[in-house]
Amino acid sequence: SSELTQDPAVSVALGQTVRITCQGDSLRRYYASWYQQKPGQAPVLVFSGQNNRPSGIPDRFSGSSSGNTASLIITGAQAEDEADYYCNCRDSSGNHVVVFGGGTKLTVL
Amino acid sequence: EVQLVESGGGLAQPGTSLRLSCAASGFDFNVYNMNWVRQAPGKGLEWVSYIASGSKTIYYADSVKGRFTVSRDNGQKSLFLQINSLRVEDTAVYYCARDSAVLSSAFDYWGRGTLVTVSS
Repeated sequence: SSELTQDPAVSVALGQTVRITCQGDSLRRYYASWYQQKPGQAPVLVFSGQNNRPSGIPDRFSGSSSGNTASLIITGAQAEDEADYYCNCRDSSGNHVVVFGGGTKLTVL
Repeated sequence: EVQLVESGGGLAQPGTSLRLSCAASGFDFNVYNMNWVRQAPGKGLEWVSYIASGSKTIYYADSVKGRFTVSRDNGQKSLFLQINSLRVEDTAVYYCARDSAVLSSAFDYWGRGTLVTVSS
């Protein structure tokens, strides 16, 4: 099965822009989705596909993709954005098997 | 309001079985594909299983294939996960998650999860 690789930890200064990346062969074929998870809470979808931001998600969250790398971009990070972020996408097998990245802990300084 | 509420977790001994349930409300459950995702304590998310809206297509992660069985009852708006031959490594919070209508594999709603602890 495919794998998605994320940096374990990233930090950003308050108000600055941060890019969280996700790498994997499946991303050459399928779009990624991104989830925010705060301690003790269920994950929340914050961005998916080419340009889909769910209702209620601030527009400072955006995404991009190139080759085998997908990125979640937070423009003007806020203190409340401190959380774990996970990417996922369909497995390269073509079946509806899904793979998650290992997660990135975002610290807002 | 879309709601997903899991139940059925608890403390179980290795080798025994559990059946998890997920009660859905606030949307047309019978037209959405559904998933189970788990998270071991202090670890990342792991996709477990997928079931299509009409139950004709089902997939499992390799780590659970042969022991886990997903099913659904569209009339009761419920999703189920039967876990057999429980292992210590099955200890996790189990979430049910809805497949987005926009992008398959984008999980747009999640339940709060139910904790399964496998220990002797």
